[in-house]
Amino acid sequence: AQTVTQSQPEMSVQEAETVTLSCTYDTSESDYYLFWYKQPPSRQMILVIRQEAYKQQNATENRFSVNFQKAAKSFSLKISDSQLGDAAMYFCAYRLRGGSQGNLIFGKGTKLSVKP
Amino acid sequence: GAVVSQHPSWVICKSGTSVKIECRSLDFQATTMFWYRQFPKQSLMLMATSNEGSKATYEQGVEKDKFLINHASLTLSTLTVTSAHPEDSSFYICSVYRGAGYTEAFFGQGTRLTVV
Repeated sequence: AQTVTQSQPEMSVQEAETVTLSCTYDTSESDYYLFWYKQPPSRQMILVIRQEAYKQQNATENRFSVNFQKAAKSFSLKISDSQLGDAAMYFCAYRLRGGSQGNLIFGKGTKLSVKP
Repeated sequence: GAVVSQHPSWVICKSGTSVKIECRSLDFQATTMFWYRQFPKQSLMLMATSNEGSKATYEQGVEKDKFLINHASLTLSTLTVTSAHPEDSSFYICSVYRGAGYTEAFFGQGTRLTVV
């Protein structure tokens, strides 16, 4: 069975600084997606970034980028120039690609605080 | 704009009563919807996969008779918590994919259920 592990329950960063959130996963599959979701206090889940496992290039979305190490099964999220609005729970998630497998497997989350 | 609408956003009910939560896809059809449960300060756990026109697929450990899922149309799935008990109090979230390929999951706003 696939699992997703986030080893940092809480992280803190100074505004305008950079922070990296860690995520590792375990799977025997080779074709899958990895995601980072943000859940602010409103509880609305928001997609931050997506990585296809078959792509070697790391995904980037403005201030958000990932370090995807497929062999190591590692998928960290880097937030640059942190803003107060980045404060939220961040969940790493895995999904098998193909077929009708649409369910996501989530890590336990990392609570990110941003200090002004 | 919103892609998925979930209603109600919060509900308080008495023990023994039933509560229905709706999840609607807006402006597109969804043959499959996913229901997640999130305990306080914890991750999202898949409860069941709702399939239009057929029975829902439940995850191991989820009581089918307690959590009734009906996917009556291509835009609506409902989760009914029957004979609710305080331990059913939780945050319930639905998720839908738009278009083929299951590339991005969209989440409802979530429903906070409190059973007193």
